[in-house]
Amino acid sequence: EAGVVQSPRYKIIEKKQPVAFWCNPISGHNTLYWYLQNLGQGPELLIRYENEEAVDDSQLPKDRFSAERLKGVDSTLKIQPAELGDSAVYLCASSFTGTGASGRTDTQYFGPGTRLTVL
Amino acid sequence: AQSVSQHNHHVILSEAASLELGCNYSYGGTVNLFWYVQYPGQHLQLLLKYFSGDPLVKGIKGFEAEFIKSKFSFNLRKPSVQWSDTAEYFCAVNGKTSYDKVIFGPGTSLSVIP
Repeated sequence: EAGVVQSPRYKIIEKKQPVAFWCNPISGHNTLYWYLQNLGQGPELLIRYENEEAVDDSQLPKDRFSAERLKGVDSTLKIQPAELGDSAVYLCASSFTGTGASGRTDTQYFGPGTRLTVL
Repeated sequence: AQSVSQHNHHVILSEAASLELGCNYSYGGTVNLFWYVQYPGQHLQLLLKYFSGDPLVKGIKGFEAEFIKSKFSFNLRKPSVQWSDTAEYFCAVNGKTSYDKVIFGPGTSLSVIP
């Protein structure tokens, strides 16, 4: 079974330029996450989708970042315009979120990430 | 505030030494707990998880973790490390409802010396 696919793997742009990242989750996974990971730190959630709905975008800097998940499958994360401080690895993860007797049980599977360098 | 702390930023061990990486969390309510590993040049992979039941959880590659509710801890252990365990280890927590946030710790870098 294919894992989470992300592209591009690397991107170098100049500040003030736009950039977009694409993610294809594992087939059948209803939940999709975008994270930002700085060097030496843990992933920080940017946005989480349940199917097409963004259920948590409280950490997304909405003045320059946007995301969409059309048809509840693939997702795109965009930055416009990019700033120097946006240099980081952008991770996508997916899971099947179920709720049973023990409450929410979902395990995230991560893609390889996109390493963004803003010059 | 919700948070996850990992006691050690960088751990250096010799092969065959025992490993314990600390993880403490602050999160209201009942939680799910995870340890993820990131080997050099690879993506994050799940080592083990706790949802409910036996607080001692066994994962892949000989790792285990124990959930101690009274201490809000979920420490990772391995009795004998190998050079191939050199990696970054992340503890994570989320709540039991669909709208609870997932919080990751800052990570612990483990270097195993042959």
